[in-house]
Amino acid sequence: ILNVEQSPQSLHVQEGDSTNFTCSFPSSNFYALHWYRWETAKSPEALFVMTLNGDEKKKGRISATLNTKEGYSYLYIKGSQPEDSATYLCALGLNTGNQFYFGTGTSLTVIP
Amino acid sequence: DTGVSQDPRHKITKRGQNVTFRCDPISEHNRLYWYRQTLGQGPEFLTYFQNEAQLEKSRLLSDRFSAERPKGSFSTLEIQRTEQGDSAMYLCASSWTDAYEQYFGPGTRLTVT
Repeated sequence: ILNVEQSPQSLHVQEGDSTNFTCSFPSSNFYALHWYRWETAKSPEALFVMTLNGDEKKKGRISATLNTKEGYSYLYIKGSQPEDSATYLCALGLNTGNQFYFGTGTSLTVIP
Repeated sequence: DTGVSQDPRHKITKRGQNVTFRCDPISEHNRLYWYRQTLGQGPEFLTYFQNEAQLEKSRLLSDRFSAERPKGSFSTLEIQRTEQGDSAMYLCASSWTDAYEQYFGPGTRLTVT
């Protein structure tokens, strides 16, 4: 069993606030780190795949960083909007094509 | 292609009944995965297929669970003699072999009463 942890468990922010979440994992077991956004009643949507130490990825107002040596990744949302309300999951892949190990997720609610 | 689909989206069943879920992956993907998410937890791996071959099963997959992918396309997950502890969201995902990404369906939410 691989322990992938996410914090905080839930977060309520005002529209326009910036926020960030953490995903931590055993640094000795790493191949790729995935971030997903999961809105209620929809499919989890892939945000980022990160493989290299020091990776930084950005998609619009959302960005992510990766530190494989210390075993963590941060997800940042700048200027949160109500449509950002979702559960954000991180998942660790140990090899291509094999199972993911998920964290418990961070539930974000953006209050208009 | 519209992505991974799952049917039904919701299922309510009485304890002891059998249920079957279906997953249709993205058509050119040869790997198919099943995960289960219980309340307060992240999704946990159950099993995966490479084409029609079931390559790995989690210890979570008790003998009441069986999964098939008979022609290497859609897959079914059957739970026999359901228990209240089987209540969960069952997610299906698909990918190419040796690909980083997995593409998920919307899930089937099972409630056992």
